[in-house]
Amino acid sequence: QKEVEQNSGPLSVPEGAIASLNCTYSDRGSQSFFWYRQYSGKSPELIMFIYSNGDKEDGRFTAQLNKASQYVSLLIRDSQPSDSATYLCAVNRDNFNKFYFGSGTKLNVKP
Amino acid sequence: DAGVTQSPTHLIKTRGQQVTLRCSPKSGHDTVSWYQQALGQGPQFIFQYYEEEERQRGNFPDRFSGHQFPNYSSELNVNALLLGDSALYLCASSLSQGDRNYGYTFGSGTRLTVV
Repeated sequence: QKEVEQNSGPLSVPEGAIASLNCTYSDRGSQSFFWYRQYSGKSPELIMFIYSNGDKEDGRFTAQLNKASQYVSLLIRDSQPSDSATYLCAVNRDNFNKFYFGSGTKLNVKP
Repeated sequence: DAGVTQSPTHLIKTRGQQVTLRCSPKSGHDTVSWYQQALGQGPQFIFQYYEEEERQRGNFPDRFSGHQFPNYSSELNVNALLLGDSALYLCASSLSQGDRNYGYTFGSGTRLTVV
């Protein structure tokens, strides 16, 4: 079983719609959860992180965490073509900044 | 404020050779982690350096080794290169600060091709 699992996609949404990206993790002891965006040929860039159950909003992005279900999601409101990228979910189990990454979900936002 | 700097950007090596990749962390960061990202996959943790010592290691063979210098910069060395070592190698810096972490800042990566 992989530490972090994501649907590889591609997920296609029309411009202006809400994109919903999902991630599950295997270790119940996981403490913090991160979403990164990676454009083709580029390095990952941090979008946001969440530690506590519930929702966390940052601009057009909302991260949702449900530790009981071991589930993290990222919602992107008013999706733009520039949001087209691969979104990586990363999980941290301890305090030493070691992250387990999923394989990423490719998002296509169509104009 | 400089971000994470990696060199070289691209590298082509022959099987059996050795390679050294370099990383300078973001100003103020003291921890350097190295990741290998194969095409279409997420980054895989190689190891992490803090206070010039390897603090954690992923499931990579001993052919992969590293070093951290007093100025927090780091090197990744790979010996006896295999074709399967072809990947994007990412350096990520962060600040160790107690019971919270705030994610990495990644460098632009080194694309290694082994032929």
